[in-house]
Amino acid sequence: QLQLQESGRGLVKPSETLSLTCIVSGDSISSTNYYWGWIRQPPGKGLEWIGCMYFFGGTFYNPSLKSRVTISADTSENQFSLNLNSVTAADTAVYYCARQEVRGKYPRGPFDVWGQGTMVTVSS
Amino acid sequence: IQMTQSPSSVSASIGDRVTITCRASQGIGNFLNWYQQRPGKAPKLLISDASTLQSDVPSRFSGSGSGTDFTLTITSLQPEDFATYYCQQTFSTFLAFGGGTKVDIK
Repeated sequence: QLQLQESGRGLVKPSETLSLTCIVSGDSISSTNYYWGWIRQPPGKGLEWIGCMYFFGGTFYNPSLKSRVTISADTSENQFSLNLNSVTAADTAVYYCARQEVRGKYPRGPFDVWGQGTMVTVSS
Repeated sequence: IQMTQSPSSVSASIGDRVTITCRASQGIGNFLNWYQQRPGKAPKLLISDASTLQSDVPSRFSGSGSGTDFTLTITSLQPEDFATYYCQQTFSTFLAFGGGTKVDIK
């Protein structure tokens, strides 16, 4: 059964880099069928798409975050990661990783499997 | 592409029919998905491609629409349906979500 599990520090200081990992079990991030993405949700607010990656090439980012975000794969551990630099309090949120179906080489399918989410607080 | 959901919240009773609307700022074909999020939980995919019900989702949920206007309908609301619902477009590579619609108990 496919499972995604987010891990990383729950407290990050302002101006530092937020780093999270999504461990995938039951599927391979090198699958030709899926993108792997990140979504976040500030406390009491809605969902915000951060970005996604395809193992065979292709990453897409939210334009509002693009200058600060990197999503990359670690095939040796079957996991992928999120790095968000220069964080502020506005980056405080629950961060979710999720799997997304490829359609014509683009991330056009739905997010069909989600991790449980991990809360990250930005504070000194 | 911006996604606008309405209403932002709705109060309903068990057994009611609830309709949630999602409008895209430009045409997105049928690249529209609906998610349900219960408090403290991750979102769950309900409907993909505007109208394809996921296999583990009850048939009282349905989706319709294409182009710019989409609808999620819940017939005969059940206690477990009280949650927040989000639409999401996947037509463009900026995968925007709608602002959400909270369904709570009247």
